This record gives sequence, C-alpha cells and structure tokens, in this order.
Amino acid sequence: GAVVSQHPSWVICKSGTSVKIECRSLDFQATTMFWYRQFPKQSLMLMATSNEGSKATYEQGVEKDKFLINHASLTLSTLTVTSAHPEDSSFYICSGNGGSAYEQYFGPGTRLTVT
Amino acid sequence: QKEVEQDPGPLSVPEGAIVSLNCTYSNSAFQYFMWYRQYSRKGPELLMYTYSSGNKEDGRFTAQVDKSSKYISLFIRDSQPSDSATYLCAMTRGGGFKTIFGAGTRLFVKA
Repeated sequence: GAVVSQHPSWVICKSGTSVKIECRSLDFQATTMFWYRQFPKQSLMLMATSNEGSKATYEQGVEKDKFLINHASLTLSTLTVTSAHPEDSSFYICSGNGGSAYEQYFGPGTRLTVT
Repeated sequence: QKEVEQDPGPLSVPEGAIVSLNCTYSNSAFQYFMWYRQYSRKGPELLMYTYSSGNKEDGRFTAQVDKSSKYISLFIRDSQPSDSATYLCAMTRGGGFKTIFGAGTRLFVKA
C-alpha cells in the first residue's frame, strides 16, 4: 500500500507557541490531502481538505486562522497550529488521496500536547 | 442522527472466533464502503473497500454491503490476537465528496 509519513510523531509545546506538522506522501502523488484530529476512543474528525496549489477547505467549526494548512506540492502538506492552547492537545492525522474515491492513505499521526 | 452509526464496543472474543462488525448509515447516496483498522496510537490502514452492494472476500476478511437496509458488515474468521485493534467503517459518495467515518469498534481477541 501507499505510504504517508508525518513529522514529528510527538510534540510538546508551551501554550501560546505555534507548532508545524508535516505530512508527506512517499510513493504516490496526493492531489488531495486531508487533516483529521482524533480524541481518545473517538473517531476521526475531519478538519480540512487541501488540494495542491489551492486554499484548504475547512469544516464547519474549524478556525482557519488557527489551523493553517499549506499544500505546497503533490507530496507535502503542512498543518500549523498557531497560538496553541491546552485544548488543542490531540492526535492529528493526515491522509492522502490516491486517486480513487475510496483510496485514502493515512499517516501514523502526530500527538500534540500543549502545556 | 449521525450519518454513520457504529457500536464502539468494546468487543471481546476468544482466539479463533468469528467476529462480526457492523455499521448502519442514513445517506442512500453513499457508493463506496470501506473498513479501516487502527492500532493504538497509529493511523488507520485500509483493509477493504466495496463499491455498491455485494460481498468481497480477502483472506480471513469478508465485507458485505446491503444498500437496501443501509447496513454494512465486516467478518473476521479465525480471529487472532493480532487482530485486536479499532475497526472503523467509512463511506463516501465519491466524486470529491468527503468520507464519513464511524466511531470505530474496539476489538480484543484473547489468546
């Protein structure tokens, strides 16, 4: 299957600072990438959809100025959590679309802890 | 009402048992039905997908879709402790529509 990497896998930051998470498709080109967050024992909550070279589409209730998404190339998307607060602590997972409607390949996730 | 309903479990079975995981949905426009497996603190991995109604088998796994009942199932035969994970159903209309995930069912297979 296709491989998606995320970096870092775990990050701790202080309240008020910004954190950038990278998502890379290693062996395929992802025209569309998705960013999710997941709370313990809960399902995936879609935050935004990004297409290469265009602005991300955010889901209702997700602050686009707080969660900055950049999809600079067909293999790289970044999520920057700006002015992080403890309530932003969560598991963030990206995925890339492999071209078919059902093909979503997920990264291993990034655990963010804001102190 | 959620678009996709899935019992979060947990479901605990002995090794070798047949496991049945299910989801119901409300949107009749869904065409693609997927099952993902997620180990703790890892990203989900695609197990199987089915287009429209019918069955699909892959090794010990069988996926079934009944569009008339808006009901999908994943069966795991001869379950193994390594099958212990959270299983998420997912579905989409395709054509650029987003994928909707179920809450996930936590499965424990006891040796």
